[in-house]
Amino acid sequence: DTGVSQDPRHKITKRGQNVTFRCDPISEHNRLYWYRQTLGQGPEFLTYFQNEAQLEKSRLLSDRFSAERPKGSFSTLEIQRTEQGDSAMYLCASSFAETSGPNNEQFFGPGTRLTVL
Amino acid sequence: AQTVTQSQPEMSVQEAETVTLSCTYDTSESNYYLFWYKQPPSRQMILVIRQEAYKQQNATENRFSVNFQKAAKSFSLKISDSQLGDTAMYFCAFEASGSRLTFGEGTQLTVNP
Repeated sequence: DTGVSQDPRHKITKRGQNVTFRCDPISEHNRLYWYRQTLGQGPEFLTYFQNEAQLEKSRLLSDRFSAERPKGSFSTLEIQRTEQGDSAMYLCASSFAETSGPNNEQFFGPGTRLTVL
Repeated sequence: AQTVTQSQPEMSVQEAETVTLSCTYDTSESNYYLFWYKQPPSRQMILVIRQEAYKQQNATENRFSVNFQKAAKSFSLKISDSQLGDTAMYFCAFEASGSRLTFGEGTQLTVNP
């Protein structure tokens, strides 16, 4: 049984560069979430997908951020023209839920730590 | 919008003793879930315990139990017989409508030998 995996685990980049992160959810899970966590804080919601449809985006997700889940399986999060303020841990989570109603549990991946120099 | 507040940035407890972490939340939703997640140093977030708002009975999972006071919008976590492996950041979280989790600021718990 494999849990949620994320790649890469660490990314160091220079300001202005583009970066892309990948998340592979638990295989039978239909929902996939992206969160951002800065040091000493709780995770903040960025966006989520139900299958391939992106259903909600946070105001934190500026136009430099884009997320996709093209086949309803893995997802990518791209940050264009990175800024120092983008330095954070980017967490992916997945869950299985019926079409409507609350989730039972979100399972988290290990995260991708981004450092923008 | 929902908010979750954890007013204890840091807590410490002696091994084998009991500790309670506090959490309050604000929402206008009637159907929701509350969670406690644990994030050990440099390790991924794992679920400790969850509570459905419509259930009056407090959830328990082995050494972990909650005190859910719906009217007061309070959701505290009690850890009994604390172990060194319980040392971690603990986050209280809220979820409604099957979408985002809203997390509190976290409480860093240290279990001392």
